[in-house]
Amino acid sequence: DTEVTQTPKHLVMGMTNKKSLKCEQHMGHRAMYWYKQKAKKPPELMFVYSYEKLSINESVPSRFSPECPNSSLLNLHLHALQPEDSALYLCASSQEMWGGPQETQYFGPGTRLLVL
Amino acid sequence: AQSVAQPEDQVNVAEGNPLTVKCTYSVSGNPYLFWYVQYPNRGLQFLLKYITGDNLVKGSYGFEAEFNKSQTSFHLKKPSALVSDSALYFCAVFTGTASKLTFGTGTRLQVTL
Repeated sequence: DTEVTQTPKHLVMGMTNKKSLKCEQHMGHRAMYWYKQKAKKPPELMFVYSYEKLSINESVPSRFSPECPNSSLLNLHLHALQPEDSALYLCASSQEMWGGPQETQYFGPGTRLLVL
Repeated sequence: AQSVAQPEDQVNVAEGNPLTVKCTYSVSGNPYLFWYVQYPNRGLQFLLKYITGDNLVKGSYGFEAEFNKSQTSFHLKKPSALVSDSALYFCAVFTGTASKLTFGTGTRLQVTL
């Protein structure tokens, strides 16, 4: 089973709202990732967690706040977003972060976010 | 810097014909290359990867890719295209030791009857 699940599938929020995206995997993977994908563009890495600790933050604005409460769950808390933050947010996981190129990343279906 | 390029925004193929989606790479050191597919309104699905070994890599759904060191290419191929193969295809290169994937700009494959 190589399934990564994400909820919700779609989210519409105002610029003053606070919302959260959720990602879950039960493959025993210890590395989890958040990517942002704008329309017709490739995914761009935002954050990487390894063993529930934040390892990489690709200079993402503080209005995006990641959280890894346990080894199976990854959240992305959203606050005071801008319309340009509208995108598909993808979660991925891999066995290890430092395992090298052998570590295939498996992606969830994504949450499509619209900020009004 | 590690990067991949996908020179074609779109590839059109008739069902039953062979398909090729092109990818070239620029890396320092050994290249570690991946192909992912994205169906409409879906996440990315892993197709195959080249780490080392045979230059012809077989993957999911009948796809394969040929690694060519002299041409710095990693083209995705399938002998007989299906309409259901229509999707967005991304080539990616593994960057550094942090499991960081850098994606190409994507190629939209359109297979018609």
